[in-house]
Amino acid sequence: AQSVTQLDSHVSVSEGTPVLLRCNYSSSYSPSLFWYVQHPNKGLQLLLKYTSAATLVKGINGFEAEFKKSETSFHLTKPSAHMSDAAEYFCVVSDRGSSNTGKLIFGQGTTLQVKP
Amino acid sequence: KAGVTQTPRYLIKTRGQQVTLSCSPISGHRSVSWYQQTPGQGLQFLFEYFSETQRNKGNFPGRFSGRQFSNSRSEMNVSTLELGDSALYLCASSRGGGASAPTDTQYFGPGTRLTVL
Repeated sequence: AQSVTQLDSHVSVSEGTPVLLRCNYSSSYSPSLFWYVQHPNKGLQLLLKYTSAATLVKGINGFEAEFKKSETSFHLTKPSAHMSDAAEYFCVVSDRGSSNTGKLIFGQGTTLQVKP
Repeated sequence: KAGVTQTPRYLIKTRGQQVTLSCSPISGHRSVSWYQQTPGQGLQFLFEYFSETQRNKGNFPGRFSGRQFSNSRSEMNVSTLELGDSALYLCASSRGGGASAPTDTQYFGPGTRLTVL
């Protein structure tokens, strides 16, 4: 079975400092991994996805994530936080299972606070 | 290209009533999935439809049902509403075809906020 664990429920950074949001995954298959962001009262927006191509994945708004199979991790980083980055972030794995469906399994989310 | 749209955006119902939520996917997308988001349980998968057929179902009671129409639009229905059904219901669409389904990007709508009193 597939699962994801987001290691921090809340992360606080100062504007202009680096962001690190941690995610570990468990998967019996070669995983497809995603990071989504949710701003207050909004739907989910895809930041980036990993689907077994390059292990370093670049996304929108300066975010990137590195797939590390040996550590079963897919941490999200950004060199310099902006106030507009304050939101909830979800690490997600696609449930490949025994059938080809699009079911997504979400982590519990990490709230990113950016202080001025 | 227009995004995923969901109607209505907000709903208030009382216990025992039923409710129908609607989702219009991105043009050309054939897969629609539904998720429930609550503070306690987070985001949980309800079901997925592809070409008018339910392809996968989450662990929810039979009061939760859905369908997909030939134009890929989807509806979900919750009967005999309970207080615990209060949640944000999110719909996502993707191209959805066959073996690529697990790697497809899913695009989410803004959600329907359901409050059960």
